[in-house]
Amino acid sequence: QKEVEQDPGPLSVPEGAIVSLNCTYSNSAFQYFMWYRQYSRKGPELLMYTYSSGNKEDGRFTAQVDKSSKYISLFIRDSQPSDSATYLCAMTSGGSNYKLTFGKGTLLTVNP
Amino acid sequence: DGGITQSPKYLFRKEGQNVTLSCEQNLNHDAMYWYRQDPGQGLRLIYYSQIVNDFQKGDIAEGYSVSREKKESFPLTVTSAQKNPTAFYLCASSMVPDEKLFFGSGTQLSVL
Repeated sequence: QKEVEQDPGPLSVPEGAIVSLNCTYSNSAFQYFMWYRQYSRKGPELLMYTYSSGNKEDGRFTAQVDKSSKYISLFIRDSQPSDSATYLCAMTSGGSNYKLTFGKGTLLTVNP
Repeated sequence: DGGITQSPKYLFRKEGQNVTLSCEQNLNHDAMYWYRQDPGQGLRLIYYSQIVNDFQKGDIAEGYSVSREKKESFPLTVTSAQKNPTAFYLCASSMVPDEKLFFGSGTQLSVL
């Protein structure tokens, strides 16, 4: 079993839809969770950062972590064509090991 | 403007040639990283450095070498021993112990 599993998509939605992106993981030591957005042929940019379980909201974006199920989600409300990108989940146990483990990314297209 | 600069944007390698990818940051970050991104493979860690004059191998270090002589700079050399070098290479940095990575815009390396 891979440490982090992420559905690669592609996912295509109409403008204004609510988008749900998900990752599952197997390492119970992970406690820092991130979502990165990557436009085509650009470097990823940090979108959301969450420690441990719970929800975090930032504008149209909500990150959710369920450590008991080893499952994290990113919700995008009122999706816009500018949200079209690849979304990568990433996680780490922190401490002296700062190496992130990334999912393979989900390609999202929001159609006007 | 603070950020990470990668150069060149595109690079071509001939058989048996070593090539060097540049990465410079002015964020005053202690840690720097090199990732390789292949289609459908996500990001894989090549090397990372948490302090000047020290670096550690990541998951796929074979065929690559790095140096960290200055805090701002972390060049990556793709040697002739790397038999499949075609990929998108991403440099990143972070404040230690912060796990949030900031990425450069990437270098696309192709084999002639």
